[in-house]
Amino acid sequence: DAGVIQSPRHEVTEMGQEVTLRCKPISGHDYLFWYRQTMMRGLELLIYFNNNVPIDDSGMPEDRFSAKMPNASFSTLKIQPSEPRDSAVYFCASSFPSGNSGANVLTFGAGSRLTVL
Amino acid sequence: SQKIEQNSEALNIQEGKTATLTCNYTNYSPAYLQWYRQDPGRGPVFLLLIRENEKEKRKERLKVTFDTTLKQSLFHITASQPADSATYLCAPLYSSASKIIFGSGTRLSIRP
Repeated sequence: DAGVIQSPRHEVTEMGQEVTLRCKPISGHDYLFWYRQTMMRGLELLIYFNNNVPIDDSGMPEDRFSAKMPNASFSTLKIQPSEPRDSAVYFCASSFPSGNSGANVLTFGAGSRLTVL
Repeated sequence: SQKIEQNSEALNIQEGKTATLTCNYTNYSPAYLQWYRQDPGRGPVFLLLIRENEKEKRKERLKVTFDTTLKQSLFHITASQPADSATYLCAPLYSSASKIIFGSGTRLSIRP
């Protein structure tokens, strides 16, 4: 398996533009998580899905952020309009309750580094 | 709300020594606690999971303990090597399928 695939790896945009980040989870994983990482705030959970349904979006900073999972193999995180404070690395991770523990174990993508000028 | 605290200061250890990292949490105990490793420019990678009814878990040179009385997990790397240098993150889970919130991470540097 190719692992969790994210695109683009790097995005530089200007304030006010729409940004769309994409994620392809590992086949068979039924949970998908979106995180944002900055030096100041660390790794923050934005939203997570189970079986394509959003379960908890309490970490989404504001209405400018939206996430969708139209099918089991694809998710998007959209920021519209983007602002300089949105600059961060955005990670997607997928999981299924695994092994003897039955607990979710995350496999992360390589991340999308967003810079908003 | 639940808080997760890890050493914010970087930890510098001499090669060959044991590195010990701390993860403290507030309020109620998680059912599971996970540890991940993150290298610069990469996503975190899962290392170990320990359940609340387990005192200790080992994997090669790694050992994790879980003390629900102290509300603390310790992560040990024995016979540390420069290749162990990375940021280590802990993440408590309150059920098998709960959301996964990470601590701020501790940066570990192993000097030759």
